[in-house]
Amino acid sequence: GQNIDQPTEMTATEGAIVQINCTYQTSGFNGLFWYQQHAGEAPTFLSYNVLDGLEEKGRFSSFLSRSKGYSYLLLKELQMKDSASYLCAVRNSGYALNFGKGTSLLVTP
Amino acid sequence: EAQVTQNPRYLITVTGKKLTVTCSQNMNHEYMSWYRQDPGLGLRQIYYSMNVEVTDKGDVPEGYKVSRKEKRNFPLILESPSPNQTSLYFCASSQRPGAISGNTIYFGEGSWLTVV
Repeated sequence: GQNIDQPTEMTATEGAIVQINCTYQTSGFNGLFWYQQHAGEAPTFLSYNVLDGLEEKGRFSSFLSRSKGYSYLLLKELQMKDSASYLCAVRNSGYALNFGKGTSLLVTP
Repeated sequence: EAQVTQNPRYLITVTGKKLTVTCSQNMNHEYMSWYRQDPGLGLRQIYYSMNVEVTDKGDVPEGYKVSRKEKRNFPLILESPSPNQTSLYFCASSQRPGAISGNTIYFGEGSWLTVV
């Protein structure tokens, strides 16, 4: 089975930087994804990591350490529209994709 | 336009009345999957399919069936729906996992299902 843990809720201020952590235990590993989801909408793809290190894409960066079973999503220059749930998902050796319960981020003025 | 289309988007049904939620993608994707999303539980995978006639159980397959007779379609079947299957359902598709483009997963808009 798989165990994916991320904080339930976080609050940050507009313009600031926030880091959302994700730890996982899986049977095999074929990549880690981060998704953003606004309430009642479909998840949208943010990032993908399969090798250790940092992937940067505009205001969003994602880091992976496979040996530690750890990833984080870094959001810079926060905007009000970044208020959403952020989902960490891990693909196992059988190619099933399993999601954490999500982190609800509230950006305040 | 690349799309994953689910129908119906909203449905209220009664316990025991068989229903099918259709899912269709126009991107010639090999991989398709179904998820349900419930408050406090996140997205949980119901079934997935690596290609035509190949399906596998996810984490919560009980009470559901799927079929993959054609590449573009992956219907979710509830033979005898029960109230605990009230949920928001998402269909998703991608190229073959492991291929570079297989890391972009497209989600449908979701189907709100209520079983009374």
